[in-house]
Amino acid sequence: EDKVVQSPLSLVVHEGDTVTLNCSYEVTNFRSLLWYKQEKKAPTFLFMLTSSGIEKKSGRLSSILDKKELFSILNITATQTGDSAIYLCAFTGTASKLTFGTGTRLQVTL
Amino acid sequence: NAGVMQNPRHLVRRRGQEARLRCSPMKGHSHVYWYRQLPEEGLKFMVYLQKENIIDESGMPKERFSAEFPKEGPSILRIQQVVRGDSAAYFCASSPIQTGITYEQYFGPGTRLTVT
Repeated sequence: EDKVVQSPLSLVVHEGDTVTLNCSYEVTNFRSLLWYKQEKKAPTFLFMLTSSGIEKKSGRLSSILDKKELFSILNITATQTGDSAIYLCAFTGTASKLTFGTGTRLQVTL
Repeated sequence: NAGVMQNPRHLVRRRGQEARLRCSPMKGHSHVYWYRQLPEEGLKFMVYLQKENIIDESGMPKERFSAEFPKEGPSILRIQQVVRGDSAAYFCASSPIQTGITYEQYFGPGTRLTVT
């Protein structure tokens, strides 16, 4: 059965720290891996990764995919309190639907 | 360019009533997905629709739930005879997907359904 496992489940850091969130997956016919940020509302799209080894960056956030080892990481540098959220990892396979992990809850404290 | 729109944002229903949730995709998007998020759980896929077609309903409960995306108007997720276990946040997402190409899905603000 296709699945996504995210770690850690939750994380508390101080403002300014760098964090790495992990996502491992098992899926037949992998197409893409996506990262979303969810605060108290809709998931907001961050990145979509389809190729191994190519880093995607947006400001202080970056992500990379390893299709051989079946995982992805999301890095956030110089964290701010506004980064506090649940970070969701999801993949698409043959079907177009997204299969989500349970997320990593990040709390950034002053 | 307006994002994905959902209404109502909050819906309260008594057990046994019907709930209708609406979703208008982003402009230019013709593919709609519905997801459910139960309290303290992750997002779970329910159904994928294109205009007038259900493409994948593998995540839909077999009874009481139905979805449509008519030629004109929003997509509707309908829950008949609601029970307390239906209380959840229901999210709609849309994409401009084309065959053989994967596009990211953009989510609406969700409808929070509470069954009393």
